[in-house]
Amino acid sequence: ETGVTQTPRHLVMGMTNKKSLKCEQHLGHNAMYWYKQSAKKPLELMFVYNFKEQTENNSVPSRFSPECPNSSHLFLHLHTLQPEDSALYLCASSQGQVSPGANVLTFGAGSRLTVL
Amino acid sequence: AQTVTQSQPEMSVQEAETVTLSCTYDTSESDYYLFWYKQPPSRQMILVIRQEAYKQQNATENRFSVNFQKAAKSFSLKISDSQLGDAAMYFCAYRSDYKLSFGAGTTVTVRA
Repeated sequence: ETGVTQTPRHLVMGMTNKKSLKCEQHLGHNAMYWYKQSAKKPLELMFVYNFKEQTENNSVPSRFSPECPNSSHLFLHLHTLQPEDSALYLCASSQGQVSPGANVLTFGAGSRLTVL
Repeated sequence: AQTVTQSQPEMSVQEAETVTLSCTYDTSESDYYLFWYKQPPSRQMILVIRQEAYKQQNATENRFSVNFQKAAKSFSLKISDSQLGDAAMYFCAYRSDYKLSFGAGTTVTVRA
């Protein structure tokens, strides 16, 4: 474990389901990130939270809804997804977004999502 | 927007040999950071090495070293004395203005 834990590791859902991905870090970091990793494509930044405030929404469809109740927890709520949303969703954390330590991200192992 | 290009989807290396992974990036910034991350089959992304753009000296971490050519916007990774545990996907990443952009990755296979 690197200090960033993601659950579940695998998730299969239908297009009408509602599910959530969870990310938890105990590194004392203040910035948390969601990335989408699809095969043969660069990692896509989805959302950034800095001290619980959303600072980046990279034009993500509204069927993805992030929630950051505190600096240690980050959720990604999923509803009415499409098959093309199937991917590995990676959570990461770093020191506060404007600090030099923000340059080093610690990643979780990802949640593999399959949308049927 | 910054773009990071890794032109080699796959690379294969014999154990104990050396392999070099290519990365180029596009930016108009003068101050930025560059990284190589490794993602083994366990899917955990791990930082391998990083380079500050203002430093001319190439970064090294044990068997991993980079060749940073700022004018050419090139940032290659050299893995020396390759080991079976080096087999993974390697991502080049660029960070400026608090945003981290990744390349598409290079899959490295190590032959015993």
